[in-house]
Amino acid sequence: AQSVTQLDSQVPVFEEAPVELRCNYSSSVSVYLFWYVQYPNQGLQLLLKYLSGSTLVKGINGFEAEFNKSQTSFHLRKPSVHISDTAEYFCAVSQNSGNTPLVFGKGTRLSVIA
Amino acid sequence: GAVVSQHPSRVICKSGTSVKIECRSLDFQATTMFWYRQFPKKSLMLMATSNEGSKATYEQGVEKDKFLINHASLTLSTLTVTSAHPEDSSFYICSASLPSTGELFFGEGSRLTVL
Repeated sequence: AQSVTQLDSQVPVFEEAPVELRCNYSSSVSVYLFWYVQYPNQGLQLLLKYLSGSTLVKGINGFEAEFNKSQTSFHLRKPSVHISDTAEYFCAVSQNSGNTPLVFGKGTRLSVIA
Repeated sequence: GAVVSQHPSRVICKSGTSVKIECRSLDFQATTMFWYRQFPKKSLMLMATSNEGSKATYEQGVEKDKFLINHASLTLSTLTVTSAHPEDSSFYICSASLPSTGELFFGEGSRLTVL
């Protein structure tokens, strides 16, 4: 079985400061990893995904994440956050690259303070 | 990119009534759709996998007679909450799989409030 742990439920950060949202996963097989963002009362928007290849993945809105197999982590980073980045962020894992449901972490609420 | 639309975005109903939520893939055909439920300040929990032309596959603990899922066409899956109770109040999100890549696209979600 797969599982995802997002260690921080809430992360407050000042505007223009860097941020890292942590994600660890467990799986007995190869995995595919995703980060989604959810704004209030909206669905999920894909930020980035790791399927294979380079372990550093760049996504939309200036976010990037690094896949670390030895540490079973896929932390999300942004060098300088904006007020508009305030949202809920979900890390997710799948056994396949597609057509299968995702297993989500509990989410991290990023609050950007002016 | 591919678009998945849900309707209604918000619905309020009385206890005991049934509510139908639609999930449509607007610009692609989706043989597989997934229904998730999200509790306040909680993650998304997979409820069921909806396959076009066949019965849905429900996750353990999800009452199939209460949450009826129908995937009658390649662009539409519906979730009907039957005899709704206040504890069914939640945010329901669907996702559809793009056949060419398998990538999942999510709907905007539907907030159900049962009074």
